[in-house]
Amino acid sequence: DVKVTQSSRYLVKRTGEKVFLECVQDMDHENMFWYRQDPGLGLRLIYFSYDVKMKEKGDIPEGYSVSREKKERFSLILESASTNQTSMYLCASNRFSADTQYFGPGTRLTVL
Amino acid sequence: KNEVEQSPQNLTAQEGEFITINCSYSVGISALHWLQQHPGGGIVSLFMLSSGKKKHGRLIATINIQEKHSSLHITASHPRDSAVYICAVSLPNDMRFGAGTRLTVKP
Repeated sequence: DVKVTQSSRYLVKRTGEKVFLECVQDMDHENMFWYRQDPGLGLRLIYFSYDVKMKEKGDIPEGYSVSREKKERFSLILESASTNQTSMYLCASNRFSADTQYFGPGTRLTVL
Repeated sequence: KNEVEQSPQNLTAQEGEFITINCSYSVGISALHWLQQHPGGGIVSLFMLSSGKKKHGRLIATINIQEKHSSLHITASHPRDSAVYICAVSLPNDMRFGAGTRLTVKP
């Protein structure tokens, strides 16, 4: 069975803190994605990676960075968290472009 | 203007009713996806379509490529169908998502 896991379901951080969100997939997928989901805006792509050590900016990369040192793991980093980064963060993976994406359970991040 | 538009935004139905959620898109796509998100839960893929129609249980998805339109139908709706339904389209290098339709089915 396909599985994408995320390190935390809920996270509360303070403004200015460095935040790490981890995502792991066990399907040997090439592509991995980080999205944020906000009410009324749908999912917006932050970054994606199509191979180890490769990354591409999505629609809203500002304030975020990513790391993919191993094929199964894709990390999202908030260098200095701000209140406008309070959101639901979802990780996904797939084998190739246009293929079905498999989503993790999401991390609800609150920045105070 | 969003490249993927869904309607309605919110939908309340009585158990047993036939439900339709619509999706229109404005870009060339390689596939269209319907996703389901339960409260507090992750997202699961219901369908991936590039033409015609697909059926899975009480769910039916159709797509009209010429009109750039897709519909998701739920027959004999049930309270457990209550969720957010999201339309997404595959572009060459990424996906674009609609804002979602929140469906509530009352017993």
